[in-house]
Amino acid sequence: GQQLNQSPQSMFIQEGEDVSMNCTSSSIFNTWLWYKQDPGEGPVLLIALYKAGELTSNGRLTAQFGITRKDSFLNISASIPSDVGIYFCAGRMLYSGGGADGLTFGKGTHLIIQP
Amino acid sequence: KAGVTQTPRYLIKTRGQQVTLSCSPISGHRSVSWYQQTPGQGLQFLFEYFSETQRNKGNFPGRFSGRQFSNSRSEMNVSTLELGDSALYLCASSLGEIQFFGPGTRLTVL
Repeated sequence: GQQLNQSPQSMFIQEGEDVSMNCTSSSIFNTWLWYKQDPGEGPVLLIALYKAGELTSNGRLTAQFGITRKDSFLNISASIPSDVGIYFCAGRMLYSGGGADGLTFGKGTHLIIQP
Repeated sequence: KAGVTQTPRYLIKTRGQQVTLSCSPISGHRSVSWYQQTPGQGLQFLFEYFSETQRNKGNFPGRFSGRQFSNSRSEMNVSTLELGDSALYLCASSLGEIQFFGPGTRLTVL
């Protein structure tokens, strides 16, 4: 199936550093989502974006919905040990009739933080 | 509110067998979606059910099927299991646009 191109695949950073990851697609989406998955758990929603150009923050996390509707990025500022995990971007098409496609996911960014 | 629950959490089957996985959505959520997660392919959409009807389907063979009951609980079934079906199967429920995931069922096919 279709997948998004998410990069980087993994990041090794020092505690306190800022983190940036992004996602690109060959298709347009009208919704972009960022999830975090810890071992043995399902993905947990971090940020949802609904409008091209939208910039949204959730604490130390900031995400943007690209103008072309084909990309999105996630920034984490001042990383802490509990930020360790796998971050996934996901795109979705929502339709005016109420229907929606399933989520299309990137392959994830493994974030590893060295104390 | 309780989150999405999935049972069983772990399952071991052999090739050729069939398996049924269960998902209980968050109370009040009417949409349930299923995803397969593997190291090689990542997270891939299987299907979505809304009000007991399949509303959407991913690109998986007919061996993968599902259903939804009147209380919104959902089951997915995989028949004639193959080694490549080993994966984490995730269920997500939603009321609107946002999908909330359960912890998944880890299926191992031997």
